[in-house]
Amino acid sequence: RKEVEQDPGPFNVPEGATVAFNCTYSNSASQSFFWYRQDCRKEPKLLMSVYSSGNEDGRFTAQLNRASQYISLLIRDSKLSDSATYLCVKGGGNKLTFGTGTQLKVEL
Amino acid sequence: NAGVTQTPKFRVLKTGQSMTLLCAQDMNHEYMYWYRQDPGMGLRLIHYSVGEGTTAKGEVPDGYNVSRLKKQNFLLGLESAAPSQTSVYFCASSYSEGPGQPQHFGDGTRLSIL
Repeated sequence: RKEVEQDPGPFNVPEGATVAFNCTYSNSASQSFFWYRQDCRKEPKLLMSVYSSGNEDGRFTAQLNRASQYISLLIRDSKLSDSATYLCVKGGGNKLTFGTGTQLKVEL
Repeated sequence: NAGVTQTPKFRVLKTGQSMTLLCAQDMNHEYMYWYRQDPGMGLRLIHYSVGEGTTAKGEVPDGYNVSRLKKQNFLLGLESAAPSQTSVYFCASSYSEGPGQPQHFGDGTRLSIL
């Protein structure tokens, strides 16, 4: 079983829609969690950290459920520019472990 | 703001050739990492370093060597390139404080082995 599992998608949504991604992880000792965004043929970029209490950054809301070992990302009012691959990431010790990503396509 | 810089951006090698990928960061980060990214596989850690003069193996270290002679530089070497090493290589760096600090990535090196 992969340490971080994501639905690869693609999720095709109209502009303005709300879309949610989930991610499950193994190893309950993981200490930190992030969502990264990766555009086609570009480097991954940190979108936001994920906290147990839930956190929001503009149109983006991240949630962590340690009991069920899953992480979620909610995007409200989707923009064309949100089209990208979203990587779920868990951290512990000196390293991060990346999921394979969920592809989002926002359409007119 | 340079951040993390990788050179070269693209390279084509023949099987058996050697080469070195250079990663430089100007953020005074302690930790540096080399990943490869292949379709459907996600980012896989090759080697990493927690400080100048130290290196450690990651998930897929075979066929690669690394060196961290200076804090700001992390070199990835392929001694005898194989077609299976065709990939996109990313370097990343982070601070050392706290567990699982977010990493900052370079823009990648696209390497093809013929």
